[in-house]
Amino acid sequence: GQNIDQPTEMTATEGAIVQINCTYQTSGFNGLFWYQQHAGEAPTFLSYNVLDGLEEKGRFSSFLSRSKGYSYLLLKELQMKDSASYLCAVFTENSNYQLIWGAGTKLIIKP
Amino acid sequence: NAGVTQTPKFRVLKTGQSMTLLCAQDMNHEYMYWYRQDPGMGLRLIHYSVGEGTTAKGEVPDGYNVSRLKKQNFLLGLESAAPSQTSVYFCASVPSDSYEQYFGPGTRLTVT
Repeated sequence: GQNIDQPTEMTATEGAIVQINCTYQTSGFNGLFWYQQHAGEAPTFLSYNVLDGLEEKGRFSSFLSRSKGYSYLLLKELQMKDSASYLCAVFTENSNYQLIWGAGTKLIIKP
Repeated sequence: NAGVTQTPKFRVLKTGQSMTLLCAQDMNHEYMYWYRQDPGMGLRLIHYSVGEGTTAKGEVPDGYNVSRLKKQNFLLGLESAAPSQTSVYFCASVPSDSYEQYFGPGTRLTVT
């Protein structure tokens, strides 16, 4: 089967750093997405990793290890507006144009 | 560009009623998707389309039908609504040269 695991909920403090993990078991792998979703809104694109390593984009970075089936999203200098759900999704060549989605991690930022 | 739009934004149906949700995109994207999102379950794919005139079943297609007569529009139909179809419905589109999904704002459907 195909499976993506993320923690259900995490709490962090404003100004701190938080790492949200995602592990996947899929038949094939083309790339991994991270999306952000604020409550009551649509998901918005954060990052897409195809190759191993860390990709940095401002306060957000995403890491991928294909051999371990593992990714993380790193958020630095946390702001209250970062309170949202973070969705991990995998695209495989076997998925016929579909993304395989994790259930999402709800991140709560405290002052 | 309006991007991806969904109509309506909210709807309340009685059990057994029918309705159609409209998704429209003005980005000339090839692929379009309908998802439902329920608390704690993430996004589940209902149906998708890889081009005008084509549709395919996703993970949870029962109770839904779709049509893509025009490239820019993807319609989701509920023929006989059930309380289990209470959910938030998202449409997404993808260009042919990318895998990034662009989402509409969602439709919040309640079936009583």
